[in-house]
Amino acid sequence: GNSVTQMEGPVTLSEEAFLTINCTYTATGYPSLFWYVQYPGEGLQLLLKATKADDKGSNKGFEATYRKETTSFHLEKGSVQVSDSAVYFCALRRNTGGFKTIFGAGTRLFVKA
Amino acid sequence: ETGVTQTPRHLVMGMTNKKSLKCEQHLGHNAMYWYKQSAKKPLELMFVYNFKEQTENNSVPSRFSPECPNSSHLFLHLHTLQPEDSALYLCASSHQGEDNSPLHFGNGTRLTVT
Repeated sequence: GNSVTQMEGPVTLSEEAFLTINCTYTATGYPSLFWYVQYPGEGLQLLLKATKADDKGSNKGFEATYRKETTSFHLEKGSVQVSDSAVYFCALRRNTGGFKTIFGAGTRLFVKA
Repeated sequence: ETGVTQTPRHLVMGMTNKKSLKCEQHLGHNAMYWYKQSAKKPLELMFVYNFKEQTENNSVPSRFSPECPNSSHLFLHLHTLQPEDSALYLCASSHQGEDNSPLHFGNGTRLTVT
């Protein structure tokens, strides 16, 4: 079946450190891939997306590349800020069978000043 | 402003109460969703409505009853809930039929069942 696995948190980093949050997926067909972010007290919001192999999604200094050969979509940022502290969710959206979105369990990030 | 508005933001109810959660979207989307987010558990899809028709019910107990009167409004009617139903309930909307259309979420209703 379709599934998303992302690294367990929490991840704790100092400000300006490099961030990587790993995400791998299992899917039939060619899904679209997403990263969502949830700040405290809010709902999830789209951070970036990629719709086909080798696409790179980017936003607010975050990047992720759709790697079909390794079925991965790792999130990276070169220099994190305290304001990046949040929960990050990797997700896939099937292109067949109802366009259902499947989420990973989420990874909590703490950034210390 | 997220484009998806949920009310109330917080709700405390007893197990014998009846209450409703409301969701409204102004994005012109044709699909709406209810998700349950509990501590230390993955996000759980509860219901999906596509063009006002319910297309998915993920084995949700009957004490949760959704209603979608039009493509802009979604309700979740609650009755005789259990303490384990305490969670953040998130509404979302999207363009169904577009494979790269992301979900747009509201800020959720924090429900506490006493």
